[in-house]
Amino acid sequence: EAGVTQFPSHSVIEKGQTVTLRCDPISGHDNLYWYRRVMGKEIKFLLHFVKESKQDESGMPNNRFLAERTGGTYSTLKVQPAELEDSGVYFCASSLGLRDTQYFGPGTRLTVL
Amino acid sequence: AQSVSQHNHHVILSEAASLELGCNYSYGGTVNLFWYVQYPGQHLQLLLKYFSGDPLVKGIKGFEAEFIKSKFSFNLRKPSVQWSDTAEYFCAVSGTGGFKTIFGAGTRLFVKA
Repeated sequence: EAGVTQFPSHSVIEKGQTVTLRCDPISGHDNLYWYRRVMGKEIKFLLHFVKESKQDESGMPNNRFLAERTGGTYSTLKVQPAELEDSGVYFCASSLGLRDTQYFGPGTRLTVL
Repeated sequence: AQSVSQHNHHVILSEAASLELGCNYSYGGTVNLFWYVQYPGQHLQLLLKYFSGDPLVKGIKGFEAEFIKSKFSFNLRKPSVQWSDTAEYFCAVSGTGGFKTIFGAGTRLFVKA
């Protein structure tokens, strides 16, 4: 069974540019989560999808971040325009049910110069 | 405020030494508790979890953790570490409704062969 995949693995962009991160959850997992870890700090929750609906987006930093999950399959997280403080590792996770184990992807390391 | 505090950011041990990583949380209501591990170059993965029942939970690779409700703690233990336990360990908490998971800042464990 394929795990959670994320693309790209690394992205280096300049301040003001736009970046789109993609997450493909494990097939059949209705729950999809985005997290971010900034430079050695804690992993912070960004948002949670149940199928294509946003269940909780309380962790999204500001309106420069837009997450979508069209059709309830893969998800994208767009940062527009990117700022220096957006640098970090963005993790995606998926789970079958709400109380089931969350399986994490490898993360996308975003560097904003 | 919801938070997780991990007592040590870096721990260095020799093989066969015993391990205890401290974790305290602040979260209103009934909680689910987790320890995740990220081995070098690998995805974040679940080590063990507590949802209810016996407060002493056993996970993979000989790890265990004890939930002490009165102390808001969920410390991770292993009687005898191996070089292959070198990794970063994260304590996390969520409400019993699931989804939004709060992580600690992580503890980097280095085991000397």
